[in-house]
Amino acid sequence: QKEVEQNSGPLSVPEGAIASLNCTYSDRGSQSFFWYRQYSGKSPELIMFIYSNGDKEDGRFTAQLNKASQYVSLLIRDSQPSDSATYLCAVNIGVNGNQFYFGTGTSLTVIP
Amino acid sequence: GAVVSQHPSRVICKSGTSVKIECRSLDFQATTMFWYRQFPKQSLMLMATSNEGSKATYEQGVEKDKFLINHASLTLSTLTVTSAHPEDSSFYICSARDWGGGSSDTQYFGPGTRLTVL
Repeated sequence: QKEVEQNSGPLSVPEGAIASLNCTYSDRGSQSFFWYRQYSGKSPELIMFIYSNGDKEDGRFTAQLNKASQYVSLLIRDSQPSDSATYLCAVNIGVNGNQFYFGTGTSLTVIP
Repeated sequence: GAVVSQHPSRVICKSGTSVKIECRSLDFQATTMFWYRQFPKQSLMLMATSNEGSKATYEQGVEKDKFLINHASLTLSTLTVTSAHPEDSSFYICSARDWGGGSSDTQYFGPGTRLTVL
């Protein structure tokens, strides 16, 4: 079983809609959770991180964490064509935070 | 967020030569840096974890004698691809861990180096 799992997609949403990206993880001891965006041919960039159960909002992005169910999601409101990219979920496992695991990414296309 | 630079951004070399890639954390000290490789349309693959002042930890299947990693300071790690061959052509990305303690531990990526071996 992989440490972090994501649906590879592709996920297509119309412009202005809400895009929902999901990620599950296997280690209940996971401490922190991250969402990165990677445009084609570029390196990943950090969008946001979350440590506590519940929602965390940053502009059009909302991260949701449910430790009991071991999933973390990313909602993108008012999706724009510029949001089209691959979204990587990452989990930091361990008390000392010395093990990062990345999912394989979900490809998102926002259709104008 | 924290800034990580990589140099060079693109390199083309002949088969059999060695290539050095530098990764720098510009506004924070990184005791740990990571090196990834990514082939087209594939996911990130962790190659090794680089800890300042100690030997790197390589992932299974990654040849440590071919991919030499040095992390001599808190802001610089280097990856040297020795005797490069066309199958080593890939996108090499470093990341640096901004260990602020507790819950602020975050990993930031450099812009990547595209290596083409002829």
